[in-house]
Amino acid sequence: QKEVEQDPGPLSVPEGAIVSLNCTYSNSAFQYFMWYRQYSRKGPELLMYTYSSGNKEDGRFTAQVDKSSKYISLFIRDSQPSDSATYLCAMSGQFLNRGGGADGLTFGKGTHLIIQP
Amino acid sequence: SAVISQKPSRDICQRGTSLTIQCQVDSQVTMMFWYRQQPGQSLTLIATANQGSEATYESGFVIDKFPISRPNLTFSTLTVSNMSPEDSSIYLCSVDSSGSLRFFGPGTRLTVL
Repeated sequence: QKEVEQDPGPLSVPEGAIVSLNCTYSNSAFQYFMWYRQYSRKGPELLMYTYSSGNKEDGRFTAQVDKSSKYISLFIRDSQPSDSATYLCAMSGQFLNRGGGADGLTFGKGTHLIIQP
Repeated sequence: SAVISQKPSRDICQRGTSLTIQCQVDSQVTMMFWYRQQPGQSLTLIATANQGSEATYESGFVIDKFPISRPNLTFSTLTVSNMSPEDSSIYLCSVDSSGSLRFFGPGTRLTVL
């Protein structure tokens, strides 16, 4: 079982719909959870960052963490064609190891999202 | 957030040659990271580069194949040596910025023929 599982999609929804993107993980030591958005031919852009369990909202985006189920979600409300991108989840047990060596950040493979106008 | 630039943005190279990718950050950062992103795969960490010390490589990556320089706190290079078609990938530079968040550059898309 991989440490982080993410459905690659593609996920295609009509404009205005609520989008739900999800990742599951197996390592109970993960405490920091991030979502990145990556447009075609661009680098990943940090979208949301949460610590431990709970919800965090930023505009149309809500990140949700359920540590008991080892499940994280990103919700996009009022989806727009400009939201079409690949969304990557990432997580870490301790925040970004500064001792050298492995950075402790584990990524999902990304979900390709298409918002149809 | 840190602003990161990479050069070149893309390149097509012949088998057996080498390519050096540059990463420039608009602020001083302690740690810089080099990742590889292959189609359908997770981002894979190649190495961590601290200024003034040898880069630390992840399992499966070696210095002879991916030499890294880190001459100062705003710049790093990654060289892909003796390339083969299997090295075709996107190479990403990443940094820790204020608040310990991780940011990425735009990537270098490499195709090896």
